[in-house]
Amino acid sequence: DAKTTQPNSMESNEEEPVHLPCNHSTISGTDYIHWYRQLPSQGPEYVIHGLTSNVNNRMASLAIAEDRKSSTLILHRATLRDAAVYYCILRGYTSYDKVIFGPGTSLSVIP
Amino acid sequence: GAVVSQHPSRVICKSGTSVKIECRSLDFQATTMFWYRQFPKKSLMLMATSNEGSKATYEQGVEKDKFLINHASLTLSTLTVTSAHPEDSSFYICSAREGRGEKLFFGSGTQLSVL
Repeated sequence: DAKTTQPNSMESNEEEPVHLPCNHSTISGTDYIHWYRQLPSQGPEYVIHGLTSNVNNRMASLAIAEDRKSSTLILHRATLRDAAVYYCILRGYTSYDKVIFGPGTSLSVIP
Repeated sequence: GAVVSQHPSRVICKSGTSVKIECRSLDFQATTMFWYRQFPKKSLMLMATSNEGSKATYEQGVEKDKFLINHASLTLSTLTVTSAHPEDSSFYICSAREGRGEKLFFGSGTQLSVL
């Protein structure tokens, strides 16, 4: 399984942008890059995903490096509700691909 | 958006009893569901991958007879923890996907406490 590496933790001030990095140097050509986040005592929730091009949605932006070996999740204005563990995972395109989570990045937002 | 409903959210049981956790995809058909367990301040650990109409594929180290997974329909998968013991106490989370390579939807999790 292709693996990802993320910093264990990051801090951000409220209302400032946050850039969460993810390295995935062994990514294959058909792997999608997905980001999920998990608030305490809850199941993870989808944030964003992409294949090659940068992506934007109402929650965040995803910047994908040209060689696809790394990506960055961008929260444009961090709020206290964004404090969570953020997981970067790779999703294959086969029927039976399994989904493995790494340790993720624990984001703290300082008021 | 798509919703995955997981029940119960919390269960306390006596050692030796069995507990069933349900995971339903409410507005889409989930051909594949995943079951995870999570210990405090740790990441999600994949237990098994469940495909509708076939036997689940268990990860190494996960006891098949201990954690029974049934995925009898496109909208329902169940995890039964048989003869539960205190070491089975954990947060269990199910996940379903709508299509290949597409986003995953997660249940809200079940906190199992075995006394």
